[in-house]
Amino acid sequence: DIQMTQSPSSLSASVGDRVTITCRASQSISSNLNWYQHKLGKAPNLLIYAASSLQSGVPSRFSGRGSGTDFTLTISSLQPEDFATYYCQQSYSNHLSFGGGTTVEI
Amino acid sequence: QVQLVESGGGLVKPGGSLRLSCAASGFTFSDSYMSWIRQAPGKGLEWLSYISTSGSTIYYADSVRGRFTISRDNAKNSLYLQMNSLRAEDTAVYYCARITTVTTWYFDDWGQGTLVTVSS
Repeated sequence: DIQMTQSPSSLSASVGDRVTITCRASQSISSNLNWYQHKLGKAPNLLIYAASSLQSGVPSRFSGRGSGTDFTLTISSLQPEDFATYYCQQSYSNHLSFGGGTTVEI
Repeated sequence: QVQLVESGGGLVKPGGSLRLSCAASGFTFSDSYMSWIRQAPGKGLEWLSYISTSGSTIYYADSVRGRFTISRDNAKNSLYLQMNSLRAEDTAVYYCARITTVTTWYFDDWGQGTLVTVSS
């Protein structure tokens, strides 16, 4: 199975900061990588699909890059509503899998 | 508007069984792949299983293969997860999600989740 490793596992940031989260796959997954935002008590929300495509309705401050094994999610200017946990997810394999998550805290 | 509503969660003893349901509306259910995903307390998201539109293709995570069974009823717009031989480590919030299978596969709609607690 493909293992997804996110770093850091948590980070502290302030409103207005630029934040970058990294996701690494244990083997090449081409661009089959998605990013989700998850807030406590709510359903996860798709942010980015196919490594760099912004889901409809998601603010343009979110962006994704990468292919192969290394990917990043960047929030260009952190807003108060962005404090949450972020997950990457691969869909290269039939055994889908998520990274361990990155919690963005104040 | 897409809606996914899970039900069937609750408290069950180790070794017991539970059947989760997910009622879908706002889209053509029979055209969509569907999946179950869970989040244990203090842990991250864990993909469990997915099922194709007709139910002919099914995959499971190693952690639940042989104990959990995913199924669907397209006439009732419903997705199910039969969970047997439950363990304490199966305690989690269980989400159903719709899979979009265009350029790549991704979970574009999720339910609010149902809590399963496995404890004696």
